[in-house]
Amino acid sequence: GAVVSQHPSRVICKSGTSVKIECRSLDFQATTMFWYRQFPKQSLMLMATSNEGSKATYEQGVEKDKFLINHASLTLSTLTVTSAHPEDSSFYICSASRTGYGYTFGSGTRLTVV
Amino acid sequence: GQQLNQSPQSMFIQEGEDVSMNCTSSSIFNTWLWYKQDPGEGPVLLIALYKAGELTSNGRLTAQFGITRKDSFLNISASIPSDVGIYFCAGQLGNQFYFGTGTSLTVIP
Repeated sequence: GAVVSQHPSRVICKSGTSVKIECRSLDFQATTMFWYRQFPKQSLMLMATSNEGSKATYEQGVEKDKFLINHASLTLSTLTVTSAHPEDSSFYICSASRTGYGYTFGSGTRLTVV
Repeated sequence: GQQLNQSPQSMFIQEGEDVSMNCTSSSIFNTWLWYKQDPGEGPVLLIALYKAGELTSNGRLTAQFGITRKDSFLNISASIPSDVGIYFCAGQLGNQFYFGTGTSLTVIP
């Protein structure tokens, strides 16, 4: 199969601190991973495309310096929300593509900034 | 980024009824996918469609890739309570992947 693990599932942090979210492809190598943000009762909005060994490609309107993405290996991409503020509270989801399995999503991370 | 138009936005149906939802786009896609998302979870793939006109079933679910390649339909037959959730369509063209606005389904026992 194609399994994507995302950690942590929930995190609460204080305003001004940074939070790192990990996305791992457990049984396949993913040269490309994707990071999404989802507000309550809304669809997933693509934030950035994470490319192994190179810089991420950010969607228009997404702050590169606030949402740092690192794709250091073929099985791991991380999203770091820097200097988090309450408006950054959201559900963040990663996904990875594997040939024959389409896009597989992680289980998401609920971020709450207080 | 681009979002696909999905309708209806929400549905409240009786258990046992059939459900239909659709997704339209101004762009052509090579692949259409349908996902279901439970609260607090990531989307789970239900059906993938790769050819215009393709009709594919997965148990009580049936989806079709529109002939124009700009739309897709998902039908759920004989709904059950566990069908509750949000259903998203997604269109893929190359490495570009876009989600629909979602259909929230409530099944009343």
